[in-house]
Amino acid sequence: EAAVTQSPRNKVAVTGGKVTLSCNQTNNHNNMYWYRQDTGHGLRLIHYSYGAGSTEKGDIPDGYKASRPSQENFSLILELATPSQTSVYFCASGAFKNSDYTFGSGTRLLVI
Amino acid sequence: TQTVSQSDAHVTVFEGDSVELRCNYSYGGSIYLSWYIQHHGHGLQFLLKYYSGNPVVQGVNGFEAEFSKSDSSFHLRKASVHWSDSAVYFCAVSGSGGSNYKLTFGKGTLLTVTP
Repeated sequence: EAAVTQSPRNKVAVTGGKVTLSCNQTNNHNNMYWYRQDTGHGLRLIHYSYGAGSTEKGDIPDGYKASRPSQENFSLILELATPSQTSVYFCASGAFKNSDYTFGSGTRLLVI
Repeated sequence: TQTVSQSDAHVTVFEGDSVELRCNYSYGGSIYLSWYIQHHGHGLQFLLKYYSGNPVVQGVNGFEAEFSKSDSSFHLRKASVHWSDSAVYFCAVSGSGGSNYKLTFGKGTLLTVTP
């Protein structure tokens, strides 16, 4: 079964530290996305990718970097984590433009 | 740029009741509309989508949604809800041009079904 797997499921990080959130998909989808979910804001797009080697800025990219080394893997990197980045992060994949998305189960990040 | 609004943050109904979750959008061009469901502690799951044709689309588990261009709406409905339908429902919109194809989500509506 096609799937999107995120790791870790939970993470506690210290302010100023580096955090890497990983996402792996077995769907062979070209497009991958990183969203964060916060109460009162719904889901907001951070970065996305059209395929291996490409990354694009979403609506709230500040403080985040992304890396897509292969079709299957898409990472979100917080070089200097801040408490405002405490959130639940979701990775998703989509076959092509306007296709429906398959989501991972999320990573709950707490920055202290 | 597309936007989507879900006017109800929380809806509570009894099991067996019908329910309508509202979604309004704004976008000037061709539009894709979809609904996703999120059970507590899980990721989002696709329910249904509309792009063209019959304005009433059917999804999984008895859900359907109706597109209205005149009202800029894409409301989700279910005739008889079950306790397992309790979840957060997200409406999403994407356009057809340039970078607008990415999904923009509403803030979600929490549906609570009371036994």
